[in-house]
Amino acid sequence: GNSVTQMEGPVTLSEEAFLTINCTYTATGYPSLFWYVQYPGEGLQLLLKATKADDKGSNKGFEATYRKETTSFHLEKGSVQVSDSAVYFCALRETSYDKVIFGPGTSLSVIP
Amino acid sequence: GAVVSQHPSRVICKSGTSVKIECRSLDFQATTMFWYRQFPKQSLMLMATSNEGSKATYEQGVEKDKFLINHASLTLSTLTVTSAHPEDSSFYICSAHHRGLEKLFFGSGTQLSVL
Repeated sequence: GNSVTQMEGPVTLSEEAFLTINCTYTATGYPSLFWYVQYPGEGLQLLLKATKADDKGSNKGFEATYRKETTSFHLEKGSVQVSDSAVYFCALRETSYDKVIFGPGTSLSVIP
Repeated sequence: GAVVSQHPSRVICKSGTSVKIECRSLDFQATTMFWYRQFPKQSLMLMATSNEGSKATYEQGVEKDKFLINHASLTLSTLTVTSAHPEDSSFYICSAHHRGLEKLFFGSGTQLSVL
C-alpha cells in the first residue's frame, strides 16, 4: 500500500541554519505530494505541494521538489527562524478525492 | 480563507460515556471529510472517510460501532466515541475537502482524555 517515510526527529537547529527534512514515499500511480506544518497548539496547515514529477512547491522560504526517480520530496529552507519551530509532516494523496497519507512527522526546534 | 471549525478542543470524560466531536466547514461545502487520530509524537492515522449523505468508509482496524460518524449535511460531520475507554484517549483531527480549491483544510483538533 501507499506509505510515507520521513527522517526521525527531533531536529534542533540554530537560527539561520540550513534545513533539510528527508521524505520518501511508496505509491502506485502518480500521487500528489504535500508538506504540512503543525505549530504548537494549532491544527495542521498546508505548507506546500507538488502535483507531478519535477514540480517544485515553495512557500515561506521552504521548497520541495517532486523527484519521481528517487520517490522523494525533501523539504529545504536556506535560513530557518525561531518561528519555524513546529512539526512537519510529509504526505501524499493518490487522487483528488482520496485520503491523505501522512508520514510520522519531524519535530523541528530552532534556537536563537 | 476557508476555515474548518472543530469542537470541542478539549474534553475529559468518564470511562463508559460517549463523546461527540463536531467538524464544520464554515464557508464552503464539503462533500468529503476525513477523521484522523494522532497519538503523542506519532503521525496522523486515518480513521474514516465521511461522505455526505452516505455511510462512512472506515479504515482497517477501526471499529465502526465504536466510532460513529455522521455526515448529515454539506458543512457538518460528527464523530461520536461510544462507551469511551482510557485507550481511546487521543488527539482527533478532522479535515474537509474543498472541491473548488482542490485542497484539504484541517480543524484544530480535539484532545480527548478518558478517565
